[in-house]
Amino acid sequence: KNEVEQSPQNLTAQEGEFITINCSYSVGISALHWLQQHPGGGIVSLFMLSSGKKKHGRLIATINIQEKHSSLHITASHPRDSAVYICAASGGGADGLTFGKGTHLIIQP
Amino acid sequence: ETGVTQTPRHLVMGMTNKKSLKCEQHLGHNAMYWYKQSAKKPLELMFVYNFKEQTENNSVPSRFSPECPNSSHLFLHLHTLQPEDSALYLCASSWDRVGEQYFGPGTRLTVT
Repeated sequence: KNEVEQSPQNLTAQEGEFITINCSYSVGISALHWLQQHPGGGIVSLFMLSSGKKKHGRLIATINIQEKHSSLHITASHPRDSAVYICAASGGGADGLTFGKGTHLIIQP
Repeated sequence: ETGVTQTPRHLVMGMTNKKSLKCEQHLGHNAMYWYKQSAKKPLELMFVYNFKEQTENNSVPSRFSPECPNSSHLFLHLHTLQPEDSALYLCASSWDRVGEQYFGPGTRLTVT
């Protein structure tokens, strides 16, 4: 069974700061997912990646398959980025996603 | 709007009640999922359906009974639940079993 570890669990930063959230997993996967959850519960998929790097606006996700590690970066952070960011792995011998505990991010103005 | 809808959004039920949660996706996806999010715990997979066939049951108690009549609809039938089953229940869908998942808004369930 895959284990997904995420750090930090909580992060408070000032507007404009560069944010990094880390994720590691224990077994081979088909893809690594980064999700965003706002208060109220709705979850949005930000990235799904199996190699290299993806960029969408101010968000960048990278993955190192050999090291079983992924990072989510937010450049020029803004208070509207405040949310819970969740790392999840798919594949690894099972259907569905295995989730990390999430990172609660607060960006202060 | 992700293309995945869930009803009801909120549900309060007693331990002897029977209720059902409904999920519908308008994306033409072939795989659908039920996830549970309890307070202070990570999201956890409950069930996976692919082309209407159940492919994963993550050791879920039998008081939760899923049903997938077609690739667009997924139900979770609930009976004789316990207070510890109170949680946010999320439905998701994807094109295939390893694709990007689209989540519904969730049903906030409280068992009294």
